[in-house]
Amino acid sequence: DAGITQSPRHKVTETGTPVTLRCHQTENHRYMYWYRQDPGHGLRLIHYSYGVKDTDKGEVSDGYSVSRSKTEDFLLTLESATSSQTSVYFCAITREPYNSPLHFGNGTRLTVT
Amino acid sequence: SQQGEEDPQALSIQEGENATMNCSYKTSINNLQWYRQNSGRGLVHLILIRSNEREKHSGRLRVTLDTSKKSSSLLITASRAADTASYFCATVSRTDSWGKFQFGAGTQVVVTP
Repeated sequence: DAGITQSPRHKVTETGTPVTLRCHQTENHRYMYWYRQDPGHGLRLIHYSYGVKDTDKGEVSDGYSVSRSKTEDFLLTLESATSSQTSVYFCAITREPYNSPLHFGNGTRLTVT
Repeated sequence: SQQGEEDPQALSIQEGENATMNCSYKTSINNLQWYRQNSGRGLVHLILIRSNEREKHSGRLRVTLDTSKKSSSLLITASRAADTASYFCATVSRTDSWGKFQFGAGTQVVVTP
């Protein structure tokens, strides 16, 4: 299995509080992605990164920000959590998206009350 | 919007039967990939088929790709209870500079002994 770890695995937080989820990889892969998974929607891309300090928005980026200060870490921040951000969040990495698959972490289940 | 759309949404079969699911997509692709997700876990890559390939096999899995119809199918032969999972297709667009993977909503497969 690819070395990819998400933390925390579970989190319950209150509306309006900031939350940061961490994705850590040991594969030295350039590309990293944050997805959220909700019933009936499959996986939707939040943000992605194609290198250190190089990030861009996905299809559901509103209310989220990311940072990548080093190759191995990709942080997802909810500046002010809302109930609509209750979801399972997955981080994924790939060496090269046009010829290689994604490797996923085991997810973070976030509940915003 | 989702690039890949799986069909059917759910499939229930008996052990030993074959399971077939389909994926349709909208734009020109570089490659199409299939993933499996067991309950509570991250997605696991099954097979990648490039746009210039028509069929690919991996063990009990057979994937076809028809770029003229913008569709792909995944066949699992001689299914086992352990094949119970959700299956997703993902595409990487040919026109996307940064290799964003886009997923469909998935097909939930239940294999009963």
